[in-house]
Amino acid sequence: DAGITQSPRHKVTETGTPVTLRCHQTENHRYMYWYRQDPGHGLRLIHYSYGVKDTDKGEVSDGYSVSRSKTEDFLLTLESATSSQTSVYFCAIGRDREETQYFGPGTRLLVL
Amino acid sequence: ILNVEQSPQSLHVQEGDSTNFTCSFPSSNFYALHWYRWETAKSPEALFVMTLNGDEKKKGRISATLNTKEGYSYLYIKGSQPEDSATYLCASLLMTTDSWGKLQFGAGTQVVVTP
Repeated sequence: DAGITQSPRHKVTETGTPVTLRCHQTENHRYMYWYRQDPGHGLRLIHYSYGVKDTDKGEVSDGYSVSRSKTEDFLLTLESATSSQTSVYFCAIGRDREETQYFGPGTRLLVL
Repeated sequence: ILNVEQSPQSLHVQEGDSTNFTCSFPSSNFYALHWYRWETAKSPEALFVMTLNGDEKKKGRISATLNTKEGYSYLYIKGSQPEDSATYLCASLLMTTDSWGKLQFGAGTQVVVTP
């Protein structure tokens, strides 16, 4: 298994609260991704990173920000959580943009 | 809006039977097509990455074909077993300024294999 961990694995929070999810990899892969998974939508890309301090938006980036200060860590922040951000969040890594992505175990977030 | 479409949404297969299902994707600016297998309560796992028209990939009893001109891929499972029960996701990678580096996933085909 690719060395990818996500923390926390489960979180319950209240509307308006800031939340940060962490993705950590030990594979030294250049690319890191954050997806959310919702019924009927498959996996949708929130943001991705192609290097330290290099990030780009995905198709559902509104309300989310990311940071990557080290190769191994990619943080996803919900500045002010809303109920529509209740979802399962997956981090993924890849050696290059066209190559296979390896997924972390997921974080289940509930915003009340 | 899903430009990548998978059909059927779900299917039930008897153990030992073979089955197949479809992924449709934009054929213009095509770069690659990914297949992933996703078991309940686990993370998606890569099956194949396909790039060339006419490409065929095989992994055990699972195989896939690719038609980039018409924008579709088939995934085949031969002699289905209960452990093949999972959701199978496809994702396309387009070579456009906006899409480059961003996989677009379909909603998946859920396969249930009954003994």
